[in-house]
Amino acid sequence: KNEVEQSPQNLTAQEGEFITINCSYSVGISALHWLQQHPGGGIVSLFMLSSGKKKHGRLIATINIQEKHSSLHITASHPRDSAVYICAVKRIGGSEKLVFGKGTKLTVNP
Amino acid sequence: DAGITQSPRYKITETGRQVTLMCHQTWSHSYMFWYRQDLGHGLRLIYYSAAADITDKGEVPDGYVVSRSKTENFPLTLESATRSQTSVYFCASSRADRGGNQPQHFGDGTRLSIL
Repeated sequence: KNEVEQSPQNLTAQEGEFITINCSYSVGISALHWLQQHPGGGIVSLFMLSSGKKKHGRLIATINIQEKHSSLHITASHPRDSAVYICAVKRIGGSEKLVFGKGTKLTVNP
Repeated sequence: DAGITQSPRYKITETGRQVTLMCHQTWSHSYMFWYRQDLGHGLRLIYYSAAADITDKGEVPDGYVVSRSKTENFPLTLESATRSQTSVYFCASSRADRGGNQPQHFGDGTRLSIL
């Protein structure tokens, strides 16, 4: 079993919908990252969390350390949000290395 | 703010050839990483470096060699390329932080095809 599991693998939404992507992990972590990758594009760091909640524009990331679970929410989704969203965790004592989920491919239709 | 750059962006080579992928960052970040990204596997760590002259293996190091003689450069060499090394390769860098809470900054990737 992978240390980081994301769900769903694929997600299709209509413009304007509220979107949730989930990430569960099985190891002790010092931080969790959410990354975004557009088709054919590079990878951008969206959030880094060790507790609570962070918000940036229409994106909200939450983490529950006790339940080993994080969610990424997108409010009022737009076709430009179409991308692969990747969850990654930094293990406690794992130096700066990240362990990645396989990603969630989001398609937002106009 | 040049950031982190990878070269080449695209490369086609033949089995058995040696190929080197370059990675250069302008932030003087201590940590640098090489990942490969394949369908069904996500991103996997090949090698990483905590500082100049300090490198360590990641999850999938076989067939790869790295060096880090200068802080800003972290080349990845495939000594004798195999078809299984066809992939998209990403370089990343981050600052050192005792709290471990620094984001990684990624290059645009190198798409490598081995025929």
